[in-house]
Amino acid sequence: DAGITQSPRHKVTETGTPVTLRCHQTENHRYMYWYRQDPGHGLRLIHYSYGVKDTDKGEVSDGYSVSRSKTEDFLLTLESATSSQTSVYFCAIRLAIFDEQFFGPGTRLTVL
Amino acid sequence: AQSVTQLGSHVSVSEGALVLLRCNYSSSVPPYLFWYVQYPNQGLQLLLKYTSAATLVKGINGFEAEFKKSETSFHLTKPSAHMSDAAEYFCAVTSNTGNQFYFGTGTSLTVIP
Repeated sequence: DAGITQSPRHKVTETGTPVTLRCHQTENHRYMYWYRQDPGHGLRLIHYSYGVKDTDKGEVSDGYSVSRSKTEDFLLTLESATSSQTSVYFCAIRLAIFDEQFFGPGTRLTVL
Repeated sequence: AQSVTQLGSHVSVSEGALVLLRCNYSSSVPPYLFWYVQYPNQGLQLLLKYTSAATLVKGINGFEAEFKKSETSFHLTKPSAHMSDAAEYFCAVTSNTGNQFYFGTGTSLTVIP
């Protein structure tokens, strides 16, 4: 299995609070991705990174920011959590362009 | 942007029967295509991928998929369903630049004993 961990695995928070999710890899892969998974929507890309300090937006980036200060870590921040951001968040890594993605175990976030 | 359509959000088959999960893509250039499987409370696992080397792609657990450019399809099949195949299946296509993946909305497979 690819060495990808996500923390925390579960989190319950209140509307308006900041939340940071962490994705950590031990594979030295160049690309890292954050998705959210919601019933009926499949996986939707939030942000991705193609190198240290190099990030770009996905289709559902509003309300989210990311940072990647070193190869192994990709952080997803919800500046002010809303109930619509209740979801399961998955991190994925990818060695090179056109390669497959490997997924982490997910973080279940509930915003009350 | 690319898109993927998975026909049938829920599919039920009897144990031992053929599994057919449908995926159609929209792409202006030859894409790279993938099938992933997700078991309850887990992340996604790669089943197989198409990268233009061969139109019939064999994956893990007895699954295979055929790329048909004329039909813009990449349907997933397995000759004989097993109870352990019950899961959610996602089809995905790369963007033209290759940076991003676009996922279908998923098909939940139920296997009836």
